[in-house]
Amino acid sequence: AQTVTQSQPEMSVQEAETVTLSCTYDTSENNYYLFWYKQPPSRQMILVIRQEAYKQQNATENRFSVNFQKAAKSFSLKISDSQLGDTAMYFCAFMKLKSNDYKLSFGAGTTVTVRA
Amino acid sequence: DAGITQSPRHKVTETGTPVTLRCHQTENHRYMYWYRQDPGHGLRLIHYSYGVKDTDKGEVSDGYSVSRSKTEDFLLTLESATSSQTSVYFCAIKEELSDTQYFGPGTRLTVL
Repeated sequence: AQTVTQSQPEMSVQEAETVTLSCTYDTSENNYYLFWYKQPPSRQMILVIRQEAYKQQNATENRFSVNFQKAAKSFSLKISDSQLGDTAMYFCAFMKLKSNDYKLSFGAGTTVTVRA
Repeated sequence: DAGITQSPRHKVTETGTPVTLRCHQTENHRYMYWYRQDPGHGLRLIHYSYGVKDTDKGEVSDGYSVSRSKTEDFLLTLESATSSQTSVYFCAIKEELSDTQYFGPGTRLTVL
């Protein structure tokens, strides 16, 4: 399995502020996808954003954006204008395309708390 | 919502008993996955399926078996449950066009 590292177990941010979550991964592959998933207290795993490694442009979904640095094997998530509903655990995940099994390797997660 | 349901949503059982968890999808996806979630580990792959009767192991497959006799159902069986299998279990499907996995609501299993 690929190694995905999220070095920040917990982060706290004031409502309306910006927070950035870090993710690094280890791979020798050139073709892969990266994902951020959100898990609120309801436990549901929700896709936040997806990045294809062959695309240089960073993915954006509303208030969520990534900084994808392929050479550094880094994939950070920025949450802008944080809202109380952003309180959740966030998981970074890696998918290798070469093997055709499309398995995901996950980091251990970062718990984000948005303060009112 | 990718049309994925899991049953049961909660289960408490005793060590040594067999347990079967069911994942059901309504959109005819070819790939289905079972993960377990434990504190400090994120989600780890147990088994996956790439078609009816086609399954393979993930990184934490010991003590688990799976079956897929029809496209819509993917069953995870704990032959003889142990306390180390207390976890939250997630099923996922892979959407064909985007290669993105979408998850079911999860099953919390407690083995006493």
